[in-house]
Formats: sequence, C-alpha cells, structure tokens
Amino acid sequence: DGGITQSPKYLFRKEGQNVTLSCEQNLNHDAMYWYRQDPGQGLRLIYYSQIVNDFQKGDIAEGYSVSREKKESFPLTVTSAQKNPTAFYLCASSTPPGHPSNEQFFGPGTRLTVL
Amino acid sequence: KQEVTQIPAALSVPEGENLVLNCSFTDSAIYNLQWFRQDPGKGLTSLLLIQSSQREQTSGRLNASLDKSSGRSTLYIAASQPGDSATYLCAVSGGSNYKLTFGKGTLLTVNP
Repeated sequence: DGGITQSPKYLFRKEGQNVTLSCEQNLNHDAMYWYRQDPGQGLRLIYYSQIVNDFQKGDIAEGYSVSREKKESFPLTVTSAQKNPTAFYLCASSTPPGHPSNEQFFGPGTRLTVL
Repeated sequence: KQEVTQIPAALSVPEGENLVLNCSFTDSAIYNLQWFRQDPGKGLTSLLLIQSSQREQTSGRLNASLDKSSGRSTLYIAASQPGDSATYLCAVSGGSNYKLTFGKGTLLTVNP
C-alpha cells in the first residue's frame, strides 16, 4: 500500500526533553511538510522540504528542527525551546509544489503531550 | 497574507439532506484549492482538488466549485449519510512557496 506513516501515534514529553516524530512516505513524492493542529485553530505549517537535503521554515518554526537526508523520510524534532508543544502533528507529502495539480496527502498524525 | 474562512463552523442535518459547506479566501492568486475530511483524532483525507483554471470537480456524492474572482468555494454533499459526519477543511495553495493555508473547518453531524 502506498501512503504516509507517522510514528508514534501518541508521545509524551517531559519538561526540557527533546523528542523526534517520524514521518515516512512511499509515494515517491519530492515535497514533504509538517503541520501543527491545535483545537479551534487551522493547521499551521512548521517546516517544509521541496527536495532532499533542503528544507524551509514555515510560519511557526521556532522550537522545531527537521532533516531531509532521504526522499522517503522527514523527521521532526520538538526541542525544549518549544514552550507549548502539546498538539496534534501532521505530516504531508506532495508532488513538486507549483504545479496546479499538486495535491497534498496526509499521514495519520502524532499526538504529543507534555507531562 | 492569505486568510481562509469556513462557514458555518458547525452544521447538523438529518440523514438524506443535501447540504453546502462554504469556504472563502482573501487573495484570489491561488494555484489550487483542496477540500479535506478529518475524522476525530485522525489525519486528513483529501476529497477534491480544484485547479485554479477549473470551475468544479466531482467525486461520487461530492461536488466542489471554485470562483476565484470572488474568492469562494463550495462543497456540495448530496443525500448525506451518518458516515459523512466529520470535520471538513478547505485549503488554498499559493504564494512564493505554494504553501497550503487552511480554514478552521466545518464540523458536520448527520443524524440518522
């Protein structure tokens, strides 16, 4: 089956701890994205990557870091600098941006809770 | 800055009713518009994508329209079913990085 997988489904973080969320896709998509979803708010873009070894900050990148060493993988690290990390995190992928038929597909999400 | 608004925020209808969800956006310079469905605690499922040059797209009981000049899109659901109950999100792609800007969604409940 082609698709996007995220792990873990639930993650608990202690104060001052860094945690890494996994995102893998087998859709052969060049572009990958990380979004954060909070109750009552729309999805907000954290980071995106249009190609391997390149990534750009989104609207709310502070306290987060990413890497894109492989086309299939785009892990997100939530650092201790992120003061309010409790949220639902969604990973997405798409064909190269800029094409009118560019469609984003989403993974099942990771719910992060700070203890 | 692009802003996307979805009205209503919540909608409750009896089974079998036809319904319309609305989405408006402030900047008409978009590449495309996507409608998604989200079930509680789950990821987003892409329903329909309308390219900027298109007026509408159809998939089964769903029909989405796009009027770029007025900054509006509608999602029409025919003969609604309890299984259609979910949050429906509208998102537009545009700007120098083609990023998606999302609305806050419409929570739809279809009652048996």
